[in-house]
Amino acid sequence: DAGVIQSPRHEVTEMGQEVTLRCKPISGHNSLFWYRQTMMRGLELLIYFNNNVPIDDSGMPEDRFSAKMPNASFSTLKIQPSEPRDSAVYFCASSPQYNEQFFGPGTRLTVL
Amino acid sequence: DQQVKQNSPSLSVQEGRISILNCDYTNSMFDYFLWYKKYPAEGPTFLISISSIKDKNEDGRFTVFLNKSAKHLSLHIVPSQPGDSAVYFCAAQTGANNLFFGTGTRLTVIP
Repeated sequence: DAGVIQSPRHEVTEMGQEVTLRCKPISGHNSLFWYRQTMMRGLELLIYFNNNVPIDDSGMPEDRFSAKMPNASFSTLKIQPSEPRDSAVYFCASSPQYNEQFFGPGTRLTVL
Repeated sequence: DQQVKQNSPSLSVQEGRISILNCDYTNSMFDYFLWYKKYPAEGPTFLISISSIKDKNEDGRFTVFLNKSAKHLSLHIVPSQPGDSAVYFCAAQTGANNLFFGTGTRLTVIP
């Protein structure tokens, strides 16, 4: 199994541009999570999906952030417009129901 | 507001000695606790967990202790090895799926 796949691994963009991060969960996992890692706050949950349905998006910082899961094998996290304070590592994780989560390698986003 | 706290951002230990990483939580509804290990440029990987009905869980060199009355858990690694050098995240969850993570502790094992 390839594990959770994220793309791109690194993204450098300019303030105001749209950024789209992509995630392919492990096949058969029912839940998908998006996290942001910063030095100050560690790993923060942004949103999670259960069976492709968003369950809790209370961690999404602003309306500039949106996430979709059109099917069981793909999810996107979009930031529009991006700002320098969005610079962080974004992780996607997937989980069988009520078990530990398996993380992807992360996308390092730099907004200049 | 951080519901899971790791107050030591870093820890250095000599190879062969015991490493003790600590974690505190505030939500008494948490019923499952996990430790994740993270190497640079990789995602966190699951290490060990403990249910709230237990006070100890052991897996090889790794043992997690839970003190519910103090809302405190700790991860013991013995003996510590240089390959254990990584960032360790404590996490907690209720019956739902979402995890609450601490800010991590960077462990350095000195050869």
